[in-house]
Amino acid sequence: DTGVSQDPRHKITKRGQNVTFRCDPISEHNRLYWYRQTLGQGPEFLTYFQNEAQLEKSRLLSDRFSAERPKGSFSTLEIQRTEQGDSAMYLCASSLLAGVVEQFFGPGTRLTVL
Amino acid sequence: GQNIDQPTEMTATEGAIVQINCTYQTSGFNGLFWYQQHAGEAPTFLSYNVLDGLEEKGRFSSFLSRSKGYSYLLLKELQMKDSASYLCAVRVQDYKLSFGAGTTVTVRA
Repeated sequence: DTGVSQDPRHKITKRGQNVTFRCDPISEHNRLYWYRQTLGQGPEFLTYFQNEAQLEKSRLLSDRFSAERPKGSFSTLEIQRTEQGDSAMYLCASSLLAGVVEQFFGPGTRLTVL
Repeated sequence: GQNIDQPTEMTATEGAIVQINCTYQTSGFNGLFWYQQHAGEAPTFLSYNVLDGLEEKGRFSSFLSRSKGYSYLLLKELQMKDSASYLCAVRVQDYKLSFGAGTTVTVRA
């Protein structure tokens, strides 16, 4: 399978715990994006990388959230001191640098904070 | 901020045609995308418009009017498998997508 993959697919945690999600983009894609989606809503942009550089962070991304893409390949999204409001589907997408720049989405990680 | 509006739900009969409208007011415009999302799955790309007019792709067509801030997705010859959420998204810079809340389409036999 050469699509975008995410791990884990589901995560249940207790409030106050830290969680980390991983995204493996399509191998030749320079750009990697993180979105958050809650029930009945469209995905909301969180942050984006071009190669290893994090070029924008949304105001939605509080200081409890951090993302990395250390070698310009896979990326991690960490949430510290989770809150119930963090419960959502976290989607990763990747795209090429030029052209139509269609974003290909992974299956997502569903986070439930108890 | 970005404002992207689309109807919440639509229902249609198998074999029929459904048109999903999307209006937008955004701080930039660099293309409009339609994605399909089945429940519990990732969004998958359907179509892209950057110039005014109609783009046809099999049973799906998408239309854009930049001056009116308006797009629609047309689904023809509806099949049961087309039951899904359809997301309208505007690319506001060369990378960032702003999504509408999605339109849930239910296809009935």
